[in-house]
Amino acid sequence: QVQLVQSGAEVKKPGASVKVSCKVSGYSLTELPIYWVRQAPGKGLEWMGGFDPEDGEIIYAQKFQGRVTTTEDTSTDTAYMEVNSLRSEDTAVYYCTTTGVEGRPTWFAPWGQGTLVTVSS
Amino acid sequence: QSVLTQPPSVSAAPGQKVTISCSGSSSNVGNNYVSWYQQLPGTAPKLLMYENDKRPSGIPDRLSGSKSGTSATLGITGLQTGDEADYYCGTWDSSLSAWVFGGGTNLTVL
Repeated sequence: QVQLVQSGAEVKKPGASVKVSCKVSGYSLTELPIYWVRQAPGKGLEWMGGFDPEDGEIIYAQKFQGRVTTTEDTSTDTAYMEVNSLRSEDTAVYYCTTTGVEGRPTWFAPWGQGTLVTVSS
Repeated sequence: QSVLTQPPSVSAAPGQKVTISCSGSSSNVGNNYVSWYQQLPGTAPKLLMYENDKRPSGIPDRLSGSKSGTSATLGITGLQTGDEADYYCGTWDSSLSAWVFGGGTNLTVL
C-alpha cells in the first residue's frame, strides 16, 4: 500500500525559496509518477505539475513554469518540489500525490498529508 | 476562474439525495475521464470516483458518478452528516496539457 509522507510546515520571506519533500513508502519511487497540487487558504485545488508519461518528462502548469522545479532521489524514495521567488500569493498547503494509471493520470490517490508554506515578511 | 465549473454549494437533509455537477468543454470533460475528490476540513483530498463512474475500494455504493458530453455529475444518496465536505472534480485538459480541477462544491447536510 502506497503512503506519501511530506515534510513539515515552512515559513519563508518574500523572494526566498522553499523545498517540500514527499517520501514514498510501500512502493519504489521509480514505479510511481509524483504530482504536486496546492491549495491557498479558503481556495480550491490547483494542479502544479508532475511526470508526463507520454512525453517522458516533467510538465508544469503554465503559471508555474520557470519558478517551480521537481526532483527525485530514488535512493531514498523521496520526491521534492522547489518554488523560487516566493510571494505572498504562494501561501498555501502543498500536496504530493500519485496515480496507479500507466500513461497520463486519470485520477490521483493517495495524497500526502500536505505541507503548509507561509510566505510573510 | 476554474476551467471546470461546479456550484459553490449544495445542501440537503439527512437521508436525502444530492447531485454535484462539473461542467467543462471538449478539451477536458468531453474527451477525458473525470474523477471526484472529497476534502474534509483540514485534511487532504480523498479519491471518491475515478474514470467517470468507478468507485475505489471502500467507497460506498450510495455514491455514483456519471458523464454526458461535457458535463459530469457526482451523486450521493442517503446523506449523512459525515458527508459534509468540499467536493472537487478533476480531469486532464488536452488543450492546456495540464490537469484541471473544478472550483469545488461545499456540501451541507442540514
